[in-house]
Amino acid sequence: GAGVSQSPRYKVAKRGQDVALRCDPISGHVSLFWYQQALGQGPEFLTYFQNEAQLDKSGLPSDRFFAERPEGSVSTLKIQRTQQEDSAVYLCASSFPSGTSYNEQFFGPGTRLTVL
Amino acid sequence: AQRVTQPEKLLSVFKGAPVELKCNYSYSGSPELFWYVQYSRQRLQLLLRHISRESIKGFTADLNKGETSFHLKKPFAQEEDSAMYYCALDGSGNTGKLIFGQGTTLQVKP
Repeated sequence: GAGVSQSPRYKVAKRGQDVALRCDPISGHVSLFWYQQALGQGPEFLTYFQNEAQLDKSGLPSDRFFAERPEGSVSTLKIQRTQQEDSAVYLCASSFPSGTSYNEQFFGPGTRLTVL
Repeated sequence: AQRVTQPEKLLSVFKGAPVELKCNYSYSGSPELFWYVQYSRQRLQLLLRHISRESIKGFTADLNKGETSFHLKKPFAQEEDSAMYYCALDGSGNTGKLIFGQGTTLQVKP
């Protein structure tokens, strides 16, 4: 089947605008992760869901960032009042628990956000 | 603090030469370590994980707890190995929250 999909693939926002980034995980995957990747850097963890429960949001940089996964499937990352430092690629990944010590994360193509 | 360091931003080798991509980590417990790869215009994907001790596409990585390193090696580089490589640490107690290094671009010249 299809892999993880993200939309939009590219988003240009004016400073101060609100944006919403969507992630469609692989069907049946319980865990969903959001990462932020600034230019020239590795991905940085933002938040993690298990089904609809947000179990870890320690990586969200400010209260302008908000993520939800209301039905345990599609997730939306919302950024309010965007700032230039929010410009980055936002990656979504999903995984299915298999009872082993690590479950491979499958990444989406990312959404490249540019804040002018 | 949990941290992953990849000291080289770019590694350039000729085809057939050995490759070693360096990764050092900082973690107080028993780490779960991985290498992810991103080929040009493709998405990030898992290359290998230390717990499985496998060899993927000729690459291997050995966890050295004494030196807190997890270097990625391949004896003979191929042009198709050219990509961005990220070392990552699961410091969450196996929930999957990954801490990535900054990445190393491997360029294999013909």
